[in-house]
Amino acid sequence: GESVGLHLPTLSVQEGDNSIINCAYSNSASDYFIWYKQESGKGPQFIIDIRSNMDKRQGQRVTVLLNKTVKHLSLQIAATQPGDSAVYFCAETSFSGGYNKLIFGAGTRLAVHP
Amino acid sequence: KAGVTQTPRYLIKTRGQQVTLSCSPISGHRSVSWYQQTPGQGLQFLFEYFSETQRNKGNFPGRFSGRQFSNSRSEMNVSTLELGDSALYLCASSLNPGQGYEQYFGPGTRLTVT
Repeated sequence: GESVGLHLPTLSVQEGDNSIINCAYSNSASDYFIWYKQESGKGPQFIIDIRSNMDKRQGQRVTVLLNKTVKHLSLQIAATQPGDSAVYFCAETSFSGGYNKLIFGAGTRLAVHP
Repeated sequence: KAGVTQTPRYLIKTRGQQVTLSCSPISGHRSVSWYQQTPGQGLQFLFEYFSETQRNKGNFPGRFSGRQFSNSRSEMNVSTLELGDSALYLCASSLNPGQGYEQYFGPGTRLTVT
């Protein structure tokens, strides 16, 4: 499949452990944030989003935390499974960006070991 | 419901040539965005179209252009190709522009410029 990134930071975890992927965003005017998962040979897939008026949002096995003071976003994956192995991107956008103009982070590769 | 489709999936062109990539959004989706993904620069926003109008544009030279048809299908064109244009070009569609409208990505077109 296509190479997503040659020099991405990698997080290695054991199957069943919890994973935490961090992201620093750049624009203090950003008010909408999204986490995407990209598997080899595929386009990014939406995982979870959060608006700037929230600091935490939970989905199925995933939680996103937003700290606007330090412009930091994190994605927590509970009970990580081999199928979670992929590259994870955070993305930020804003009203001035028209919301569909996503600014992506560099990405983190998650490797899940049995 | 069929996902976002992009054609062709792979393309090899020579420097100086031009190329046209096609994107068919999910049925009913009216907003289409394009992104360029490279190992060095990551995912970068190219432009967004809604109702056949360019709504937003990223920081790319004028050699990169796009359009959207009345059926919401979109094309992007790159003229006078350079080696640095080699990348995975991703198309994303959403129902409408705006916060909370999830963007769905296609598998991408891998362009190699030699």
